[in-house]
Amino acid sequence: DAMVIQNPRYQVTQFGKPVTLSCSQTLNHNVMYWYQQKSSQAPKLLFHYYDKDFNNEADTPDNFQSRRPNTSFCFLDIRSPGLGDAAMYLCATSRDGRGGRNEQFFGPGTRLTVL
Amino acid sequence: GQNIDQPTEMTATEGAIVQINCTYQTSGFNGLFWYQQHAGEAPTFLSYNVLDGLEEKGRFSSFLSRSKGYSYLLLKELQMKDSASYLCAVRDRSGGATNKLIFGTGTLLAVQP
Repeated sequence: DAMVIQNPRYQVTQFGKPVTLSCSQTLNHNVMYWYQQKSSQAPKLLFHYYDKDFNNEADTPDNFQSRRPNTSFCFLDIRSPGLGDAAMYLCATSRDGRGGRNEQFFGPGTRLTVL
Repeated sequence: GQNIDQPTEMTATEGAIVQINCTYQTSGFNGLFWYQQHAGEAPTFLSYNVLDGLEEKGRFSSFLSRSKGYSYLLLKELQMKDSASYLCAVRDRSGGATNKLIFGTGTLLAVQP
């Protein structure tokens, strides 16, 4: 089945220790998104890629970086995690972003704990 | 600015009908989505509206009025498994070439026996 895969599902890191979360997709979608979701809050868009074009949200901290080496994979790097970065990180894809239904398909998420 | 409002929590009875409302303000409306999210899981797509009116899909229906900035999700014949958070999300073309989704905080629905 075509899908969005995130690894790991649970990640524990130490304060200040860099961590990388990964996302892969078999849908061959053009757009990949990274969201941060804290408990009982709305998913917050961090950045997205349209093909290789990177789009950063204005309020995304510099501590968060992303890489998309090819169509299928996208990585979220947190250079120096703080306690406030503990959250669920959701990867999503869409075939296109500009109109039509083009709903976003979400992966299962990675729950990050910062000790 | 951009703003999406929906009730924080709702409770309903198994077998009943429930309506979850969503109001929004956005400068470049280009579609409204409803997602279902079970605790600790990813959101899953339920419905999409871009024109005014009702879209029906099995036990789920979604309505949109663009002039009022208003949508609702209607769930019929409620089942226990429908207990989840329901997220209203608006696509905003002011985000540039790739339309972004702006999510509401979600409505936590509890279905009781």
